[in-house]
Amino acid sequence: GENVEQHPSTLSVQEGDSAVIKCTYSDSASNYFPWYKQELGKRPQLIIDIRSNVGEKKDQRIAVTLNKTAKHFSLHITETQPEDSAVYFCAASRGAAGNKLTFGGGTRVLVKP
Amino acid sequence: DTGVSQNPRHKITKRGQNVTFRCDPISEHNRLYWYRQTLGQGPEFLTYFQNEAQLEKSRLLSDRFSAERPKGSFSTLEIQRTEQGDSAMYLCASSRQGVNTEAFFGQGTRLTVV
Repeated sequence: GENVEQHPSTLSVQEGDSAVIKCTYSDSASNYFPWYKQELGKRPQLIIDIRSNVGEKKDQRIAVTLNKTAKHFSLHITETQPEDSAVYFCAASRGAAGNKLTFGGGTRVLVKP
Repeated sequence: DTGVSQNPRHKITKRGQNVTFRCDPISEHNRLYWYRQTLGQGPEFLTYFQNEAQLEKSRLLSDRFSAERPKGSFSTLEIQRTEQGDSAMYLCASSRQGVNTEAFFGQGTRLTVV
């Protein structure tokens, strides 16, 4: 089955700096890669996703890149703000398998004011 | 909040007791998923339904776990003879049918087995 590795497990950045989180996956059939943000005590919420026919996607301060050959994808947050502090999870899915998600272990991001 | 709803939010039970959780998905979503999340880890897939049919179960789902979605709307997850290792957050998610459609998560049920 699919295995998703996520690094780093914790990330501390100064407000205004950039944050980068990296994930690798094992199943070459995976074709959908969402990123979820989970604040303490709250539900995971989708912040951005990318499909395997696209190499990069951007939404305001958030961008995701995908390298299918190397089987890795990354989340980039620019101009970080204190409200970006949360746990971020990457995930992978094969669309034909009912869209079940395999998650990475999470990255706890702390943005220092 | 018209999103995915889970009840109860918290459950404390004694080892050996049975517990049941409920998930109400977003009304037009015909796919429903259960995940388990332990502290400091990402959610792990347990099972999913398309309408009332349970289409896949993870090996994580032992015989003590059973899930139902009798009318293709809400779902229940029952754990029989709970063990301390069952302590976790149980998350439900729902999505529309289709390839790579967004999954919306509920706030979860936190189970503590004492």
